[in-house]
Amino acid sequence: NAGVTQTPKFRILKIGQSMTLQCTQDMNHNYMYWYRQDPGMGLKLIYYSVGAGITDKGEVPNGYNVSRSTTEDFPLRLELAAPSQTSVYFCASSQLQSDSLINYGYTFGSGTRLTVV
Amino acid sequence: GENVEQHPSTLSVQEGDSAVIKCTYSDSASNYFPWYKQELGKRPQLIIDIRSNVGEKKDQRIAVTLNKTAKHFSLHITETQPEDSAVYFCAARGKADNKFYFGSGTKLNVKP
Repeated sequence: NAGVTQTPKFRILKIGQSMTLQCTQDMNHNYMYWYRQDPGMGLKLIYYSVGAGITDKGEVPNGYNVSRSTTEDFPLRLELAAPSQTSVYFCASSQLQSDSLINYGYTFGSGTRLTVV
Repeated sequence: GENVEQHPSTLSVQEGDSAVIKCTYSDSASNYFPWYKQELGKRPQLIIDIRSNVGEKKDQRIAVTLNKTAKHFSLHITETQPEDSAVYFCAARGKADNKFYFGSGTKLNVKP
């Protein structure tokens, strides 16, 4: 049981390049999220998904895209990378408990440290 | 949506002392409040959580209290140790959108 797996762990991109950050979870969680964390700052929600085929924007979605074709995978796409996207990206998943309709605490991936130069 | 404020932003204590971190939230319908610990260069890890139908929860040296009327909740760490040094985040689950809203974090430094 690996939990939430993110790849790559580190990446340097040039301005204008594109890349996909991969996120996979093996816990059969229905909710998945992408956050970014700038140095010394908190977590800002980029996109989230409540299930396969369903995605929605968070606080800071500009410059990013996501897809959720399966329950397990939730890749984050960066198009035309900009220096402002230099950050650590965390994927997370959680499960909605049907008895209480409460979405309990996240399980985070280990993060992807992205530098755009 | 929900708005979570966290204080203080930095906290320095002597080993063995207690540490208290406070958060306030805006949505009275929020019903779940987790706390995360993030060590340098690592992922946030859930350390304790509390539901809105409970006023206090304790796990060894860590406790969380919730005051629904005042809409604030606090993390209490007793007998602090150097390994407690980390950034701590509070969060609240917005009932309307089922999303978690995080505080801005508290950097705790425990001096040996």
